[in-house]
Amino acid sequence: EDQVTQSPEALRLQEGESSSLNCSYTVSGLRGLFWYRQDPGKGPEFLFTLYSAGEEKEKERLKATLTKKESFLHITAPKPEDSATYLCAVQAGGSARQLTFGSGTQLTVLP
Amino acid sequence: NAGVTQTPKFRILKIGQSMTLQCTQDMNHNYMYWYRQDPGMGLKLIYYSVGAGITDKGEVPNGYNVSRSTTEDFPLRLELAAPSQTSVYFCASSQDRPSGANVLTFGAGSRLTVL
Repeated sequence: EDQVTQSPEALRLQEGESSSLNCSYTVSGLRGLFWYRQDPGKGPEFLFTLYSAGEEKEKERLKATLTKKESFLHITAPKPEDSATYLCAVQAGGSARQLTFGSGTQLTVLP
Repeated sequence: NAGVTQTPKFRILKIGQSMTLQCTQDMNHNYMYWYRQDPGMGLKLIYYSVGAGITDKGEVPNGYNVSRSTTEDFPLRLELAAPSQTSVYFCASSQDRPSGANVLTFGAGSRLTVL
């Protein structure tokens, strides 16, 4: 059974204080690991897809990395507008392309 | 381009009532999904469809039904509503990719309360 565990559950940072979110996973035949951002009252919004260990993707202040067991979402010099819940998901092989989601990390960036 | 549209946004049901959550996408995606999200929990897959006329159960299908008569529409039917179905429901769609890793586009969600 595919499993995704995210930590910490919640994180409070001061503006400009860099940190990392963790996503640990077990999956049979990883097709992709995804990071999504979810704002309150909205649906998740796609950020990154990582396909293989060693891969990295960047977007503004966010950088996602992948190993064989976990992924990190590094946030450099965050701003209050980066406050959101960050969801990690994995996709295994199979025709349904189903995703297994973690429970998310709720990030609050204080001005 | 509206993406994925869900209606209604909010609904309160009494125990035993039935209702349908509507989902429409205008991106010509072949895959569509219904997830539910409970506080502190990850998104759980209820049903999915890989194309018109084809549906299958996800992780938590009990108490729900779906149909997919067109590429665009994927309604979720709740029969005999129970308090355990109080949740936020998200519809999503994706286009199959050669890599096999599908990026999902989500709707804004439908918040359902069963009293």
